[in-house]
Amino acid sequence: AQTVTQSQPEMSVQEAETVTLSCTYDTSESDYYLFWYKQPPSRQMILVIRQEAYKQQNATENRFSVNFQKAAKSFSLKISDSQLGDAAMYFCAYRSVTTGANNLFFGTGTRLTVIP
Amino acid sequence: NAGVTQTPKFHILKIGQSMTLQCTQDMNHNYMYWYRQDPGMGLKLIYYSVGAGITDKGEVPNGYNVSRSTTEDFPLRLELAAPSQTSVYFCASSYPPGQVAEAFFGQGTRLTVV
Repeated sequence: AQTVTQSQPEMSVQEAETVTLSCTYDTSESDYYLFWYKQPPSRQMILVIRQEAYKQQNATENRFSVNFQKAAKSFSLKISDSQLGDAAMYFCAYRSVTTGANNLFFGTGTRLTVIP
Repeated sequence: NAGVTQTPKFHILKIGQSMTLQCTQDMNHNYMYWYRQDPGMGLKLIYYSVGAGITDKGEVPNGYNVSRSTTEDFPLRLELAAPSQTSVYFCASSYPPGQVAEAFFGQGTRLTVV
């Protein structure tokens, strides 16, 4: 099974500054999907951004962008102009294109604190 | 469009009791999942289903059972509850891998076993 590693259990950032959350994954597949989910204190899982492995261009959603390095199997999330509402647990996830079996794998999460 | 709906949102269960956590989705998703999340921790897969009538174990299936008689519903049964099952439970659903590949989550059920 694929594994997803988030090596930063906790991160902090000053409000309005930029922070990067790291994620690496292990796979032998060439086609797959990567996601970042946000889990605020309300515990709702919210999709932040997604990346298709076949796309070379890094995905961007407003203040959120990724640095997708396919060869290095790295998928980091950059949050620009951090806001208090960005404080949450962030999960990196991998989804293979395999069907008929579990194909969705999560990292252990990074808790982000935003300092006013 | 309701998405993924879980009930109940909170529940206190006594040791040895049984209960069913309900999950229903209205997006016609084939894939459905049950995760548990212990305090401050990540998600652990309990069971998943790739379609009606098909279920399989995940990483932590002991003490749980599931069924998938319809596309919409994927209930999780806890038998003989133990304090170790105190957790937040999430149900999720998704299409097969494709243009819409992400999973959609319910709001979670906070379960306490005392």
